Amino acid sequence: NAGVTQTPKFQVLKTGQSMTLQCAQDMNHEYMSWYRQDPGMGLRLIHYSVGAGITDQGEVPNGYNVSRSTTEDFPLRLLSAAPSQTSVYFCASNRGQNYGYTFGSGTRLTVV
Amino acid sequence: RKEVEQDPGPFNVPEGATVAFNCTYSNSASQSFFWYRQDCRKEPKLLMSVYSSGNEDGRFTAQLNRASQYISLLIRDSKLSDSATYLCVVNPLGGGYNKLIFGAGTRLAVHP
Repeated sequence: NAGVTQTPKFQVLKTGQSMTLQCAQDMNHEYMSWYRQDPGMGLRLIHYSVGAGITDQGEVPNGYNVSRSTTEDFPLRLLSAAPSQTSVYFCASNRGQNYGYTFGSGTRLTVV
Repeated sequence: RKEVEQDPGPFNVPEGATVAFNCTYSNSASQSFFWYRQDCRKEPKLLMSVYSSGNEDGRFTAQLNRASQYISLLIRDSKLSDSATYLCVVNPLGGGYNKLIFGAGTRLAVHP
């Protein structure tokens, strides 16, 4: 049982490039979310999904897109990378609002 | 005012000490509450949920005070392995939404 798997673990992008951060879970969780973590800021919600085909914006959605075509996968797309998007990105899933998240191991992204 | 606020610490305590962290939240309609632990450069991991009546898990005790809008975490008999950042997490909406809000974390350092 792998839990939540994120790829890649590290990435360096140039300003203006686009990329997709992958997230997959094998726990059949309905809820999935993407957070970014910056020093002193805590984790901030980017986008979330309450089921396949349903996504919504979190606190800091600008510059990011998501889709949820299957229960298992929830990719995060950076449309045109900016230095302000340098951060650690965590994908998480849970089986409902009263349950805690299981997090992936994170993607460390640097935009130069 | 931030939705979830924590004292950033660090709390430096000797082994065997008892330490308590508090966390305040701004939305009185918040539905569910959690404490997470995050080790350096790792993903957050669920420590425990916080129930209205308070709950205990070994050396860890969590309390919820809805009237004053704060939750607390008490760690008894601290171990070196308890050194980490402790994140307070609140679900402010409930009702099918899944927008967990994280505090910035409180750092704990346990020394011999």
